[in-house]
Amino acid sequence: EMVLTQSPVTLSLSPGERATLSCRTSHIVTNYLCWFQQKPGQAPRLLIYDASNRATGIPARFSGSGSGTDFTLTISSLEPEDFAVYYCQYRDNWGVLTFGGGTKVDIK
Amino acid sequence: EVQLVESGGGLVKPGESLRLSCAASGFTFSKAWMSWVRQAPGEGLEWIGRIKSKSDGGTIDYAAPVQGRFTISRDDSKNTVFLQMNSLQTEDRAVYYCTTVVERLGYWGHGTLVTVSS
Repeated sequence: EMVLTQSPVTLSLSPGERATLSCRTSHIVTNYLCWFQQKPGQAPRLLIYDASNRATGIPARFSGSGSGTDFTLTISSLEPEDFAVYYCQYRDNWGVLTFGGGTKVDIK
Repeated sequence: EVQLVESGGGLVKPGESLRLSCAASGFTFSKAWMSWVRQAPGEGLEWIGRIKSKSDGGTIDYAAPVQGRFTISRDDSKNTVFLQMNSLQTEDRAVYYCTTVVERLGYWGHGTLVTVSS
């Protein structure tokens, strides 16, 4: 069973600062690792797919990196609209989805 | 444009049933694998099941907490996937989303709220 562990649980930063979010998988992942942003009352919004590819319309300040079992979402300079909860997600070859517990980025 | 629109949520009592629908457009629905994901109030995202396309066997798999109580089905003629939920419990209270992947991109509906309370 795949387990995704996100850290930290909460990240308190100021606008303009850099945010670094971590997602660790319990087994090696070769692809299908993505990142979502979720704001209160809204559905998750895809930011990054296949670990490092930005989805359509996603600003360049969002970037994804990593391989194997360690993945990172970086927001280079936080904008006010970036304060939200971020989830990593893995999809296996059978279409089973596994989610991390989320990292909340809030205003310091 | 890919769109997923869930409907059918509402307030039910423990032990009752509810059927959710997810109407899809903007992609070849018959070829898509469709999943349902839920999110309890203030909690994270939980995958509850997936139905493959008929051309890939139409296999359905469920997460353990809903196995035997929930049933996923699809009607490709209506571009719709369903989630039949029986024997609902208070812990099933959540927003239910349908989601799919089209050309490697994940798409989500806006969700529909299910409340289970006596």
